[in-house]
Amino acid sequence: AQRVTQPEKLLSVFKGAPVELKCNYSYSGSPELFWYVQYSRQRLQLLLRHISRESIKGFTADLNKGETSFHLKKPFAQEEDSAMYYCALYTGTASKLTFGTGTRLQVTL
Amino acid sequence: GAGVSQSPRYKVAKRGQDVALRCDPISGHVSLFWYQQALGQGPEFLTYFQNEAQLDKSGLPSDRFFAERPEGSVSTLKIQRTQQEDSAVYLCASSLGTANSPLHFGNGTRLTVT
Repeated sequence: AQRVTQPEKLLSVFKGAPVELKCNYSYSGSPELFWYVQYSRQRLQLLLRHISRESIKGFTADLNKGETSFHLKKPFAQEEDSAMYYCALYTGTASKLTFGTGTRLQVTL
Repeated sequence: GAGVSQSPRYKVAKRGQDVALRCDPISGHVSLFWYQQALGQGPEFLTYFQNEAQLDKSGLPSDRFFAERPEGSVSTLKIQRTQQEDSAVYLCASSLGTANSPLHFGNGTRLTVT
């Protein structure tokens, strides 16, 4: 069965420091990976997806099939990046996303 | 419309009561999804509708859970004889396509069973 692992519940970084939120998945086929974000008192929303290969709000993520990872990175953290981040996997079987347990990113001054 | 709307925002039910949670998706969105999010966990898939057809209900945890979308728009998630383990945030999302399209989530309904 497919699974998404986000090993860190909380990641605390200083403003201006690099950020890496880890995501590993288990699936033997060709997956699609996503990052969803929930800012304080807002609803869950899509941040980026690997097939778009784009940078959103300075964040990028590269799918590494060899390591089955899809880590989210940003070179310089900003206070407004503080939020809950969820990695999600789509396998094409049954129309659902499988989410990880989430990582709370806390950016401090 | 502003986005996906869910009601009520909060619901407290005594164990054994039935509850109904409503989701009003973005107009024109064909797909509608229900997810359950327990405290400290990520959202877990419950069920999926394409228009009025319930194409996947594999995530519903028991036969106490029932969902419908009779006219292909508003959806209702019903939980019969609620149990304490049903306490969670229930999220509704809609999209133009399948789950690999951008999902637009509602604010959720926080259900507490006492």
